[in-house]
Amino acid sequence: EIVMTQSPATLSVSPGERATLSCRASQSVSSNLAWYQQKPGQAPRLLIYGASTRATGIPARFSGSGSGTEFTLTISSLQSEDFAVYYCQQYNNWPLFGGGTKVEIK
Amino acid sequence: QLQLQESGPGLVKPSETLSLTCTVSGGSISSSSYYWGWIRQPPGKGLEWIGSIYYSGSTYYNPSLKSRVTISVDTSKNQFSLKLRSVTAADTAVYYCARLMLYCTNGVCYNWFDPWGQGTLVTVSS
Repeated sequence: EIVMTQSPATLSVSPGERATLSCRASQSVSSNLAWYQQKPGQAPRLLIYGASTRATGIPARFSGSGSGTEFTLTISSLQSEDFAVYYCQQYNNWPLFGGGTKVEIK
Repeated sequence: QLQLQESGPGLVKPSETLSLTCTVSGGSISSSSYYWGWIRQPPGKGLEWIGSIYYSGSTYYNPSLKSRVTISVDTSKNQFSLKLRSVTAADTAVYYCARLMLYCTNGVCYNWFDPWGQGTLVTVSS
């Protein structure tokens, strides 16, 4: 069974700075990885699919990279609305989410 | 614009069956390109996929929940439903429904959930 590990659990960043979030799979998932953003009291929102394709309406400051077992979500210049929890999700035999990274204001 | 909306009781007694329905609007549930899924999130915790269904009725479930879960579809009502039997306090969570996209190109397939319903909190308590 694949295990998805996100790091760090919490990332403290100042507005305007770059944030780099990591997602690691215990075995290769090719490029079948998605990223979601979740704000308090809201449903998750799709940011990235196929490891690097931005979903419709997602700002260019969000970018995804990686393949195989190592993936990265980068937010180039954090805006106030970007402070949230971010989840990665792979699909091998079934969908599996990582534990999440909380991006908080430094 | 496709929208999903969960509905059902917000309180279920231990050992009973949790029943939720997801109504899809702004598009047809009978599309060959999608599955439809249920995901849950216990308070303060992460996301757990419960299971998914195709419009034909084909289902697959999270192995950890498979023995207690049934997902069904009603294409005439553009709805799909979740039943989770023998619930305990550990099943207390926000339950989301979502469309599971399937996209294959050059021999590689990709899958992701979009859009999601707003979620509904189900509490298991006597």
